[in-house]
Amino acid sequence: GAVVSQHPSWVICKSGTSVKIECRSLDFQATTMFWYRQFPKQSLMLMATSNEGSKATYEQGVEKDKFLINHASLTLSTLTVTSAHPEDSSFYICSANPSGGRPVSDTQYFGPGTRLTVL
Amino acid sequence: AQKITQTQPGMFVQEKEAVTLDCTYDTSDPSYGLFWYKQPSSGEMIFLIYQGSYDQQNATEGRYSLNFQKARKSANLVISASQLGDSAMYFCATATQGGSEKLVFGKGTKLTVNP
Repeated sequence: GAVVSQHPSWVICKSGTSVKIECRSLDFQATTMFWYRQFPKQSLMLMATSNEGSKATYEQGVEKDKFLINHASLTLSTLTVTSAHPEDSSFYICSANPSGGRPVSDTQYFGPGTRLTVL
Repeated sequence: AQKITQTQPGMFVQEKEAVTLDCTYDTSDPSYGLFWYKQPSSGEMIFLIYQGSYDQQNATEGRYSLNFQKARKSANLVISASQLGDSAMYFCATATQGGSEKLVFGKGTKLTVNP
C-alpha cells in the first residue's frame, strides 16, 4: 500500500513553545491530507483537512490560530501547534488518499503518528 | 451527519477461532464507504477492508471479511483463524462517497487474542 511518514514520531516540549509536525506521502501525490487527534483510549477525531495550495478546512471547535496547517506541496503537509499547553498533549495522526480525493474507495493511508507531550 | 457505533469496548477470542466485531452506522448520504482499521499498541492505523454502499458482494481481504447488511445499517468485521498478532484496537469508519472523504470513526473495540 501507499506509504505516509510523519516526523517526529514523538516530541516533548515546554509549555508555551511551538511544535511542528510533518506529514509526507512518500510514493504518491496527495492534494488532500487529513489531520486527526487521538487522546488516550479514545477514537480519532478529525481536526482539519489540509488542501494543497489553499487554506485548510477546520472542524468545528478546532482553533485555526492554534493549529496552523500548511500544505505547501503535493507530498507535504505540516501541522504547527502554537503556544502548546499540557492539554494539547495527544497523539496526532495524518492521513492521505493516493487518488487525491476521489473516489472514496481509494482508501486513506495513515502516517505512524506523532506523540506530543507538553510539560 | 454521519455516526458510527461500536458497542463492544472489548472482545476476547481464542487463538485460531473466528471473531465478529460489531459496527452500525447512520448516514443520510445515498452513497458512502465503510472501512475497518486496526491500531496496534504502536499507534499506527492499518487499513484492513473497505465496503462501498452499492457493492453487491461482501468485501473480503484474506482473513478479514465484512458482513454488510445495508437494511440494518451494519458492517461487522469477521476475523477468521485469529492470531496472537491480531490483538489490537479495531476501528470502524465511514466516509461520504464522492464527497470530502472525511472519515468518521467509531470508538473502537479492543480485541485480545488468547493463546
